Amino acid sequence: DAGITQSPRHKVTETGTPVTLRCHQTENHRYMYWYRQDPGHGLRLIHYSYGVKDTDKGEVSDGYSVSRSKTEDFLLTLESATSSQTSVYFCAISERASSYEQYFGPGTRLTVT
Amino acid sequence: LAKTTQPISMDSYEGQEVNITCSHNNIATNDYITWYQQFPSQGPRFIIQGYKTKVTNEVASLFIPADRKSSTLSLPRVSLSDTAVYYCLVGLTGGGNKLTFGTGTQLKVEL
Repeated sequence: DAGITQSPRHKVTETGTPVTLRCHQTENHRYMYWYRQDPGHGLRLIHYSYGVKDTDKGEVSDGYSVSRSKTEDFLLTLESATSSQTSVYFCAISERASSYEQYFGPGTRLTVT
Repeated sequence: LAKTTQPISMDSYEGQEVNITCSHNNIATNDYITWYQQFPSQGPRFIIQGYKTKVTNEVASLFIPADRKSSTLSLPRVSLSDTAVYYCLVGLTGGGNKLTFGTGTQLKVEL
């Protein structure tokens, strides 16, 4: 399995609280992604990165920001968590942009109360 | 961005071959077709990718007709452990914001 870890794996937080999720890879892949998965919606892309300090928005980016200061780490921040952001968050990596072969992390289950 | 349509669910028995068809009428010339598998409480896992005709690996086969408006994922001799959700993705080979997962097909394999 690809070396991808996510932390924390589970988190419960209150509405209005800032939350940061971390994705760490040991594969030295250039591309990293954050998705959320909700019942009835499949996976939806939040943000992605195509290099250190190079990021772009995905399908559902409102309310989220990201940062990538090192190749191996991609952070997802909820500046002020809302109940609608309760979800399972997956990080993924890929070696090339010219491929849909992405490797996913184990996920973070976030509950906003 | 090509929209995909898959059956919501399928049932099968161990040892049978399972074929999951995905429709993608608006597929563009440069689009590839990719399938992922997801087990409960895990991230999706890449299964297979193809552009035309047939692709086979150790896990599955992917059949793509000449018009490329559909594709079929074939799982030979399924077992209980193949119970999962299967996603069909179609789009430009460029990753990033071009990658869209639908709701997938829930395959249930029974004894």
